[in-house]
Amino acid sequence: NAGVTQTPKFQVLKTGQSMTLQCAQDMNHNSMYWYRQDPGMGLRLIYYSASEGTTDKGEVPNGYNVSRLNKREFSLRLESAAPSQTSVYFCASSEGPTGRAYGYTFGSGTRLTVV
Amino acid sequence: KQEVTQIPAALSVPEGENLVLNCSFTDSAIYNLQWFRQDPGKGLTSLLLIQSSQREQTSGRLNASLDKSSGRSTLYIAASQPGDSATYLCAGNYGGSQGNLIFGKGTKLSVKP
Repeated sequence: NAGVTQTPKFQVLKTGQSMTLQCAQDMNHNSMYWYRQDPGMGLRLIYYSASEGTTDKGEVPNGYNVSRLNKREFSLRLESAAPSQTSVYFCASSEGPTGRAYGYTFGSGTRLTVV
Repeated sequence: KQEVTQIPAALSVPEGENLVLNCSFTDSAIYNLQWFRQDPGKGLTSLLLIQSSQREQTSGRLNASLDKSSGRSTLYIAASQPGDSATYLCAGNYGGSQGNLIFGKGTKLSVKP
């Protein structure tokens, strides 16, 4: 009964380094999302995948790339980290694009600091 | 532009008090509204999901209502406990191919023993 699992939980990067945040869900959900949460800004959508094989930009996609590896896994990559990308990153999933019936399930987050 | 607002930003109450958290949204064409709880340094835990066709949902001491015509939702917490201390977020789902949730910035609740 894991739900949405994110790794790592914490990470410190130097400016210019790259890394990939991993996310996996075990609920057979079709849609997956990446959000970032910043003080005073709330949660903002970075990228989403409405179904396996598709990905689209959200509100704040610059500086990020994503891969929907299979139905279970959705990764977020920072190619060249910048201090502005210091944030808490959340992965979420829902049964379908609208999340109508069952809403959204969130992971526990990755706390990323870029120095 | 679709926006979700939560007022107040912070609330402190004594233990045992009944309380109401407010959430308002600008676009009434909402598919559903979801209330989440977030503890410090933790992820989001879903509390209640109200479909657009519903007026309210209940889970234990929690009751959430939805009034699309007025663009408001409330989360009622009965007999509050110190363990209820957390930030409560509401999020409106407007569907579409993106299925994006529009989040409020949350109400930070502190229940004093």
